[in-house]
Amino acid sequence: GENVEQHPSTLSVQEGDSAVIKCTYSDSASNYFPWYKQELGKRPQLIIDIRSNVGEKKDQRIAVTLNKTAKHFSLHITETQPEDSAVYFCAASGPIRNTGKLIFGQGTTLQVKP
Amino acid sequence: DTAVSQTPKYLVTQMGNDKSIKCEQNLGHDTMYWYKQDSKKFLKIMFSYNNKELIINETVPNRFSPKSPDKAHLNLHINSLELGDSAVYFCASSQTGGRQETQYFGPGTRLLVL
Repeated sequence: GENVEQHPSTLSVQEGDSAVIKCTYSDSASNYFPWYKQELGKRPQLIIDIRSNVGEKKDQRIAVTLNKTAKHFSLHITETQPEDSAVYFCAASGPIRNTGKLIFGQGTTLQVKP
Repeated sequence: DTAVSQTPKYLVTQMGNDKSIKCEQNLGHDTMYWYKQDSKKFLKIMFSYNNKELIINETVPNRFSPKSPDKAHLNLHINSLELGDSAVYFCASSQTGGRQETQYFGPGTRLLVL
C-alpha cells in the first residue's frame, strides 16, 4: 500500500551544523515530493519540493535530493539556526487515481541548540 | 489577508455532541482538503473536494461528513463525537488538485472531546 517512512523521528544538532532527514516511499508512481515545516502550534508550511524529473533542488540553506531508483529522498539543512527548530514532514504524491493525495511521513522533530 | 482560514481555532466539547468546523480559502483554488493530525503529529488526509465534487474519501467513519457549498468553502461536520476524535484538523487547498501541486494549509482547529 501507500507508505512513506521518515527517519529519524528526532534530531538534535548544534547551531551551525548540518541536519539531514531521510524518507522512503513505496509507490513508484509518486512524482512529487514536498517538505513541510511545522512550528509548535502552527500550520505546516511548504519549505521546498521536488518533482520526479530532477534529482536535486536547492534554496539557500535547504536542499532536497531524490533517488527514484531507490525510492528515497532527503532534506539537507546547512548552517542550522535555532529558528530551524520545528517538526519537518516529508510527503509523496499518492496513486494516479487519487490526484492531489499526499502521503506524509511520520515527522522529524529537529532541535537546534544555540 | 489570510489565504486559508478556519473557524473555530479551538473546540472543546463533550462526547456524543455534534460539531462543525469551517474552512475558507481566498486563493481562487479549485480543490480543498481536510487532514487530521493526531497526538503523535501524524498527518493523514481525510477528504478532498474539487469544485464542490468529492474526489478523495479515505477510510473515515460515517460520522464525518464534509460539505462544500462552493469551491472557496469546505466544512466538516462531525456527529456523535468520540474521545478518539480529539486531534488537530487542518484544511488545505491547491490550485486544481493535480498530483504535483503545492497544498496550502489553514491554521488548524484543535478539537478536544471530553
